[in-house]
Amino acid sequence: DGGITQSPKYLFRKEGQNVTLSCEQNLNHDAMYWYRQDPGQGLRLIYYSQIVNDFQKGDIAEGYSVSREKKESFPLTVTSAQKNPTAFYLCASSGAELSYEQYFGPGTRLTVT
Amino acid sequence: GQQLNQSPQSMFIQEGEDVSMNCTSSSIFNTWLWYKQDPGEGPVLLIALYKAGELTSNGRLTAQFGITRKDSFLNISASIPSDVGIYFCAGQLEGTYKYIFGTGTRLKVLA
Repeated sequence: DGGITQSPKYLFRKEGQNVTLSCEQNLNHDAMYWYRQDPGQGLRLIYYSQIVNDFQKGDIAEGYSVSREKKESFPLTVTSAQKNPTAFYLCASSGAELSYEQYFGPGTRLTVT
Repeated sequence: GQQLNQSPQSMFIQEGEDVSMNCTSSSIFNTWLWYKQDPGEGPVLLIALYKAGELTSNGRLTAQFGITRKDSFLNISASIPSDVGIYFCAGQLEGTYKYIFGTGTRLKVLA
């Protein structure tokens, strides 16, 4: 099946630890995205990547880092510098053309205590 | 960061009623997307719109791309209990890969 996978579904970490969230897509999409969603809120863009080895900061990039070494993969690291890391993280991808649909993975709920 | 103005924030309706929600922005978009999100899940794409004035249907759902390219609306006809969820609009900024999301409309359907 074609789609976007995120793992794990639930993740628990202690404060002060870095944690990496996985995102893989087999849709052959060029662009990939990371969003953060807080309870009762909309989606806020963390980082996005249009092509391999290139990425841009979104609206709330502080305390996060990404890499795009392969077209299929766009992992997100939540660093200890992120002040409020507990949230629902969503990965998405979209096709090559500028006017194209964006599809989401199932999300990872990160809880930091 | 930028966000679209989406209204209403929430709706409580009776089963069988029609629903309408909309998004407006000061920015011009070249694509409008409408999503439904269930609790704890990723948003699911419902409808995509690519041209100003375009009207597109997907079953009981109908969406339109505003003629000014700054707004869009979504209608749901004859609502059923499984329509419950949060509906988001998203606009793709012209000339970029970046999408801006609405704040969401929470829909509750009373049987």
